[in-house]
Amino acid sequence: QKEVEQNSGPLSVPEGAIASLNCTYSDRVSQSFFWYRQYSGKSPELIMSIYSNGDKEDGRFTAQLNKASQYVSLLIRDSQPSDSATYLCAVNRDFGNEKLTFGTGTRLTIIP
Amino acid sequence: KAGVTQTPRYLIKTRGQQVTLSCSPISGHRSVSWYQQTPGQGLQFLFEYFSETQRNKGNFPGRFSGRQFSNSRSEMNVSTLELGDSALYLCASSLTGTADFSANEKLFFGSGTQLSVL
Repeated sequence: QKEVEQNSGPLSVPEGAIASLNCTYSDRVSQSFFWYRQYSGKSPELIMSIYSNGDKEDGRFTAQLNKASQYVSLLIRDSQPSDSATYLCAVNRDFGNEKLTFGTGTRLTIIP
Repeated sequence: KAGVTQTPRYLIKTRGQQVTLSCSPISGHRSVSWYQQTPGQGLQFLFEYFSETQRNKGNFPGRFSGRQFSNSRSEMNVSTLELGDSALYLCASSLTGTADFSANEKLFFGSGTQLSVL
């Protein structure tokens, strides 16, 4: 079992709809959770971080964490073509430790 | 503020050679991490340096090594290159060591070095 698992996609969503990206992790003691966006040919860019169970909203993005189920998700509301990218889920076991474990990413395509 | 700078951008080497990649972090960032990205394996952690010391290490063979200088700039070296070492090597810097752990953990990536081993 991989430490961080994501559906590789591709996930196609119509413009204006909600895109839902999912991630599960295997290490129960994981403390910090991140979503990175990576455009083709570019480097990853941090878009969301979450540390506590529940929802965290930032603009059109909402991260959801459920530690009991070892599950973290990212919702993108009012999806735009510019949201088309690969979304990487990353998990950190320890606070203050910069060793992140990444999933292989979900490729998202927003259809105009 | 300048971002993370990696050089060179592209590199072509042959099997058995060695290579050195360079990374300059964001000014004020003291931690530098290195990741290998391949289509099949995704992003995999190589190692992390803080204050010229390797603080964390991933599951890579000893052919992969690194170091950090007093100005926080970092280099990574791969010796005896193999075909499977072909990948995008990404460097990331972070603040670390501050009281705000959420700030510490935010990684800022460079553009990467695309290494091709022939």
